[in-house]
Amino acid sequence: GDSVTQMEGPVTLSEEAFLTINCTYTATGYPSLFWYVQYPGEGLQLLLKATKADDKGSNKGFEATYRKETTSFHLEKGSVQVSDSAVYFCALSPNAGGTSYGKLTFGQGTILTVHP
Amino acid sequence: AAGVIQSPRHLIKEKRETATLKCYPIPRHDTVYWYQQGPGQDPQFLISFYEKMQSDKGSIPDRFSAQQFSDYHSELNMSSLELGDSALYFCASTKTSRSSYNEQFFGPGTRLTVL
Repeated sequence: GDSVTQMEGPVTLSEEAFLTINCTYTATGYPSLFWYVQYPGEGLQLLLKATKADDKGSNKGFEATYRKETTSFHLEKGSVQVSDSAVYFCALSPNAGGTSYGKLTFGQGTILTVHP
Repeated sequence: AAGVIQSPRHLIKEKRETATLKCYPIPRHDTVYWYQQGPGQDPQFLISFYEKMQSDKGSIPDRFSAQQFSDYHSELNMSSLELGDSALYFCASTKTSRSSYNEQFFGPGTRLTVL
């Protein structure tokens, strides 16, 4: 079945440092890929998405590129802020005809803590 | 903008009791998903409904059942509760379309504690 693997965490950085959180996936066909963020005590929020190979999703300074050849969707940010401290989940969903649908399969999550 | 509403936000039950979680999707959304997130775990898909019919089923125990009603809200019924059922239960909704991207919007979750 489908699966998502994220880098071991947690990750602790100083403000303005560069962030990379690795994500690789296993899936049949061509899934859509997502990064979700979860702040303490809150639900999941979609951070960015990519629905086909070589797409780059971006939002709030975060970026991730859908790499089919390496089955990866690594999350990056050039300069993190204290407010970015949260749990980040990589996820995928099936894709049919360029449209994503169906259940999300999540990675194990990466806790990010940013210190001033 | 209206969001997904879940109730209650917190629920405490004893072992072997029953619990009912409710989810109210965003207006005009026709699809509801339920996920379970254990402590320190990633969310796991339980079950989904499209136009009031079950559309997919994941790792949902037989003790759990769910349905989607005519107004599209959904309820997750959990019986014979066990300590291991303590988790955060998320509902997500979407307007399913085969011609556009179907983003799932998540509710704030119901935190169930089984004592």
